[in-house]
Amino acid sequence: ELKVEQNPLFLSMQEGKNYTIYCNYSTTSDRLYWYRQDPGKSLESLFVLLSNGAVKQEGRLMASLDTKARLSTLHITAAVHDLSATYFCAVDDNNNDMRFGAGTRLTVKP
Amino acid sequence: DVKVTQSSRYLVKRTGEKVFLECVQDMDHENMFWYRQDPGLGLRLIYFSYDVKMKEKGDIPEGYSVSREKKERFSLILESASTNQTSMYLCASSPSVRTEAFFGQGTRLTVV
Repeated sequence: ELKVEQNPLFLSMQEGKNYTIYCNYSTTSDRLYWYRQDPGKSLESLFVLLSNGAVKQEGRLMASLDTKARLSTLHITAAVHDLSATYFCAVDDNNNDMRFGAGTRLTVKP
Repeated sequence: DVKVTQSSRYLVKRTGEKVFLECVQDMDHENMFWYRQDPGLGLRLIYFSYDVKMKEKGDIPEGYSVSREKKERFSLILESASTNQTSMYLCASSPSVRTEAFFGQGTRLTVV
C-alpha cells in the first residue's frame, strides 16, 4: 500500500528566509501533485510533476521530483506572508487514485 | 474554470440520522472522489467513481455509501451518522485517470 509522508508537519519561518518541505512515498510512482489549502478554503492545485527529474517553478515556489529516491521537495525562496497556508503532496498510486500526505502547515512571520 | 460545488458548507446532524452530501461538477469530468480531512491525517479517500453508476471503495468506506446516477453529480451518504464521522468532507473531480484533481469548497459536518 502506498504511504506518503510529509515533513515537517508544522513550519514557522521568517519573511525572507528559504526553506524546503519534503514528501516521501513508499512505492513506485511517476506522478506527484502539490496542493495548497488556505484556512477555511479548499485545495488548489500548485504543481503536477510527471517524470523523474521534473522541476516546476511558480513565483517563490519550486517543486521537484526524484522518482528513484521516491522524494519530492517544495522549496520556498524568500518567503512572504501570503505563502502562509497548508501544503499537501499527493502521489498517484497507479490505480485511479491519489494518496495524500498529512500536510505541512506553513506560517510566515514578518 | 472548473467548478466543483458542494451543496453545504456547514452541517450539524444528530447521531443516527441519514446524511446526504451532494457534489456537482460542471466540466464533464469522468472521475469523482470523496475525501475526508482530519487534522494530522491529511486527506483520506472514502469512495471514488470513474463513470456513471460505477464506484470503488477507498481507504475508509465503512459507514459510507455513494451514488452516481448522473455524470456531473456524486453523492456521499452516511447511513447512520456517528460522532466519529465529524469531519471536513471534500469532493473532487478529474478529467481522466492520473491527472490533477479539482476540489470543492468542503463541507464541515458535525455529528452531535
